[in-house]
Amino acid sequence: KQEVTQIPAALSVPEGENLVLNCSFTDSAIYNLQWFRQDPGKGLTSLLLIQSSQREQTSGRLNASLDKSSGRSTLYIAASQPGDSATYLCAVTTSGTYKYIFGTGTRLKVLA
Amino acid sequence: NAGVMQNPRHLVRRRGQEARLRCSPMKGHSHVYWYRQLPEEGLKFMVYLQKENIIDESGMPKERFSAEFPKEGPSILRIQQVVRGDSAAYFCASSPDGQGNTIYFGEGSWLTVV
Repeated sequence: KQEVTQIPAALSVPEGENLVLNCSFTDSAIYNLQWFRQDPGKGLTSLLLIQSSQREQTSGRLNASLDKSSGRSTLYIAASQPGDSATYLCAVTTSGTYKYIFGTGTRLKVLA
Repeated sequence: NAGVMQNPRHLVRRRGQEARLRCSPMKGHSHVYWYRQLPEEGLKFMVYLQKENIIDESGMPKERFSAEFPKEGPSILRIQQVVRGDSAAYFCASSPDGQGNTIYFGEGSWLTVV
């Protein structure tokens, strides 16, 4: 049974810091992995999608890496800003399915 | 191009009442998914539907919950005889295919049972 864990559960950093959010999954047979952002009371916004054959994806100040063999992904945020404050969710689909299995997220607060 | 539209955004129901949550997928998307987010928990898959068909309802509670996606109109998630434990955010998502590629989530419907 696929399980997704995100560490840390919460993180508070001063503006300008580079930071790393971690995601681990128990079944390496994934189809893809996505990082989402969720603002309080809002839906999810997809940030980066990594297919199982890829090792990383980049979008602006965000970089996500994937190591299937070790069951890990990291989301790197460069030069963090107060507007980055949100909950970041990691989710995977296992090969042959379309269901996303979500982690419980990392609540990020960037202090001005 | 409007995103995934959910309504109502907030719904309050008394125990025993029925809750109906609606979801209109993005234009051109025929695959709809419902997820539930309980307080302090991650999102959990509930059901996957295509037009007029339930493809996978393995995440749906066995009783009181049902979902449909008719040929015309939005997808509906129906919860009968609500209980306090049903209080959660219900998210709908849609995709152009069922292959697990990028999916688009709605803003969610927050159900509070009092």
